Amino acid sequence: GAVVSQHPSRVICKSGTSVKIECRSLDFQATTMFWYRQFPKQSLMLMATSNEGSKATYEQGVEKDKFLINHASLTLSTLTVTSAHPEDSSFYICSAREIGTGFTGTEAFFGQGTRLTVV
Amino acid sequence: DAKTTQPPSMDCAEGRAANLPCNHSTISGNEYVYWYRQIHSQGPQYIIHGLKNNETNEMASLIITEDRKSSTLILPHATLRDTAVYYCIVRVANAGGTSYGKLTFGQGTILTVHP
Repeated sequence: GAVVSQHPSRVICKSGTSVKIECRSLDFQATTMFWYRQFPKQSLMLMATSNEGSKATYEQGVEKDKFLINHASLTLSTLTVTSAHPEDSSFYICSAREIGTGFTGTEAFFGQGTRLTVV
Repeated sequence: DAKTTQPPSMDCAEGRAANLPCNHSTISGNEYVYWYRQIHSQGPQYIIHGLKNNETNEMASLIITEDRKSSTLILPHATLRDTAVYYCIVRVANAGGTSYGKLTFGQGTILTVHP
């Protein structure tokens, strides 16, 4: 199956700093990537949809100025958590869909996630 | 997308079949049933999907009732590595536009496989 790689897998940062998380599709091109957030013992919540070459679409309640998304190429989307605070500590997961494919059933390929801890 | 209901947790003995139920009584005719699982601290993994026929692959079987209001994911010989949260998701396939590939996760079922 298609591979989506996230980097870093874990990051600890100080409160007030910014952290960038990368999501790469390794063996396919993705016009659209999705960013999810998961707090402990909770389900995944979609934060935003990242579209190559255009602005991201954010879900209701997600601050676009705090969670900056850049999708500059067909294989890379980045999520930057700006001015991070302890409440931003979470598990961030990206997924990607392959360009130009019809219905494959799998649709979404997920990265391994990034554990962010803000201290 | 239709809402799904799953039991919060289930146990299964290693080597036995694990049968995970999912209710989706409001499913529409063009909505598929998808199953994903998430092993602790990893991203979700696709398992199987189906529309109305039963499906089987190397990981699992999916049994969908005739009225399509419920389904069961079957792991035929559960192993300790199958311990995970299993998500049943109902959505329109190949929806097109920006919703294609977007998944709405419920709380899922925590499956614990014990020796």
